[in-house]
Amino acid sequence: DVKVTQSSRYLVKRTGEKVFLECVQDMDHENMFWYRQDPGLGLRLIYFSYDVKMKEKGDIPEGYSVSREKKERFSLILESASTNQTSMYLCASSPGSRGNYGYTFGSGTRLTVV
Amino acid sequence: GESVGLHLPTLSVQEGDNSIINCAYSNSASDYFIWYKQESGKGPQFIIDIRSNMDKRQGQRVTVLLNKTVKHLSLQIAATQPGDSAVYFCAEIRVGGSQGNLIFGKGTKLSVKP
Repeated sequence: DVKVTQSSRYLVKRTGEKVFLECVQDMDHENMFWYRQDPGLGLRLIYFSYDVKMKEKGDIPEGYSVSREKKERFSLILESASTNQTSMYLCASSPGSRGNYGYTFGSGTRLTVV
Repeated sequence: GESVGLHLPTLSVQEGDNSIINCAYSNSASDYFIWYKQESGKGPQFIIDIRSNMDKRQGQRVTVLLNKTVKHLSLQIAATQPGDSAVYFCAEIRVGGSQGNLIFGKGTKLSVKP
């Protein structure tokens, strides 16, 4: 069964900490995405990547960075966590231009910054 | 339907009834549409998709209808079951020409009463 795996389901971090959220997909997908999801605001795109070493800012990149050193892994980094980054974080991947444009999502990481 | 406010639209139906969830999409150039289901504490899961050259597509207990004239998408769930309780998102993308990313609606929460 193909999947997108996020390393943690729940995380609690302190303000100012550097936080790494890891995402791995086993589908050989080209594209990977990081979203945050907050009540009533839907899915908001943070960063995305169409290829290894490539990254593009989404709609809300401030306070975040990403790394894609290998095709299967896309990491989201909170350089200095703040309480307003408490949220559900969702990673997704897609094949891109192979005729299937749907995204496969991970189970999410619920991050609490205290 | 979809909402830009802080409160998620909610649809409450009796078990066994049919459900209709609506979505107004934003881009008249979008030519591929997806419905996702997100259960509590989980990532969104693909339900069904439809391309703009179709008006209707049926899956198992689900039907998606597309009205391009008014930019409207609907998801019909037949014989709704308690396991259908979730938040449902529509998503759109323009796959022809320069491909962008999926654009997600805010979601509708479906509650099924036993």
